[in-house]
Amino acid sequence: DAKTTQPPSMDCAEGRAANLPCNHSTISGNEYVYWYRQIHSQGPQYIIHGLKNNETNEMASLIITEDRKSSTLILPHATLRDTAVYYCIVRPLIQGAQKLVFGQGTRLTINP
Amino acid sequence: DTEVTQTPKHLVMGMTNKKSLKCEQHMGHRAMYWYKQKAKKPPELMFVYSYEKLSINESVPSRFSPECPNSSLLNLHLHALQPEDSALYLCASSQESRLSYEQYFGPGTRLTVT
Repeated sequence: DAKTTQPPSMDCAEGRAANLPCNHSTISGNEYVYWYRQIHSQGPQYIIHGLKNNETNEMASLIITEDRKSSTLILPHATLRDTAVYYCIVRPLIQGAQKLVFGQGTRLTINP
Repeated sequence: DTEVTQTPKHLVMGMTNKKSLKCEQHMGHRAMYWYKQKAKKPPELMFVYSYEKLSINESVPSRFSPECPNSSLLNLHLHALQPEDSALYLCASSQESRLSYEQYFGPGTRLTVT
């Protein structure tokens, strides 16, 4: 079973920041928080991951609370192309192949 | 090249047919995966191959038969499927020899069983 809880849907205006929350209250000390997204009719795409510090890359920022029980993915200037289902996943970062357990995700709609 | 390709894009098959789905990557990844995704649901893992050997089978029915003929190719052989097997089948790959945080997914094969 997925270890995360996300709102089923969110809307955001184009050009605004989209803030997607994720609860992972049972996260273990060695588990990372990963975010993937799936644009319609495409395969999932990796966005970002983090352990306890805030992380930023060219796609997004990830804010993890100090107790690590929740996190927020931030798309700073959302565009129509960011409309997708966003999945928050927790799993350990270890060597080798391992499965991704997807939860229900958040369907983000960016409105013009 | 960070692309995972899958063929065919669409497949319609009868319950008595035998067909195969193909997946290819040239990123040097030694871990490859099959996921199944029903409409409006998240992807679910089916199989994992590590160094061309099956390492995880998520209790998938035997009518689905995976094969990894070499480090770049992954096949999924289909036989005697049921209409409820209609879904998007996704292939993915990742690094095996070091810490890996990213799986690369292909666009999927949309399968319809009639």
